[in-house]
Amino acid sequence: DAKTTQPPSMDCAEGRAANLPCNHSTISGNEYVYWYRQIHSQGPQYIIHGLKNNETNEMASLIITEDRKSSTLILPHATLRDTAVYYCIVRVGWNTGNQFYFGTGTSLTVIP
Amino acid sequence: GAVVSQHPSWVICKSGTSVKIECRSLDFQATTMFWYRQFPKQSLMLMATSNEGSKATYEQGVEKDKFLINHASLTLSTLTVTSAHPEDSSFYICSARDQTLYEQYFGPGTRLTVT
Repeated sequence: DAKTTQPPSMDCAEGRAANLPCNHSTISGNEYVYWYRQIHSQGPQYIIHGLKNNETNEMASLIITEDRKSSTLILPHATLRDTAVYYCIVRVGWNTGNQFYFGTGTSLTVIP
Repeated sequence: GAVVSQHPSWVICKSGTSVKIECRSLDFQATTMFWYRQFPKQSLMLMATSNEGSKATYEQGVEKDKFLINHASLTLSTLTVTSAHPEDSSFYICSARDQTLYEQYFGPGTRLTVT
């Protein structure tokens, strides 16, 4: 079962940073936070994941609070192509191959 | 690298017929594959976990006799929807676990419409 809570929708102006929050208050010490996104009628696309430290890659940054009960995905300069549903998922281990259980996600609309 | 394909990308079938969906890992070997179903405006729901050479493990509420899963090789898993009905119309997505890196990669999905 999904263990995360996300706002159902958000808007962001093109070129601005999009900050997508996620609550995972029951996260365990060995659970990682993953972010995926799904553009309409496509398979989910991996964005980033982390355990406790903040992470950054070419797509986004992941900020995890010190108590690990929440996190924020940051898209630094949102474009129209970033319009998608963003899923925050917690999963045991980064390399266990365990199943992903998706929550309801946040529908992000980037506005021109 | 790490590409997962699905075939067909969309299919229309008549009620009562069966339809097979293929999921292939193109550039890695996958001992484990997962099948998801997604209804319009809803999230992905995990249906089953498919392990190469053994029986699939189904999530609670998923009919194993209706959704037949075969994982006969390290690069191919198939999902057969038997005796399809209009309520089986959905978007079916697979993911594959790289047996070396252990990460999962998702396919592009298959749109099934049952008339």
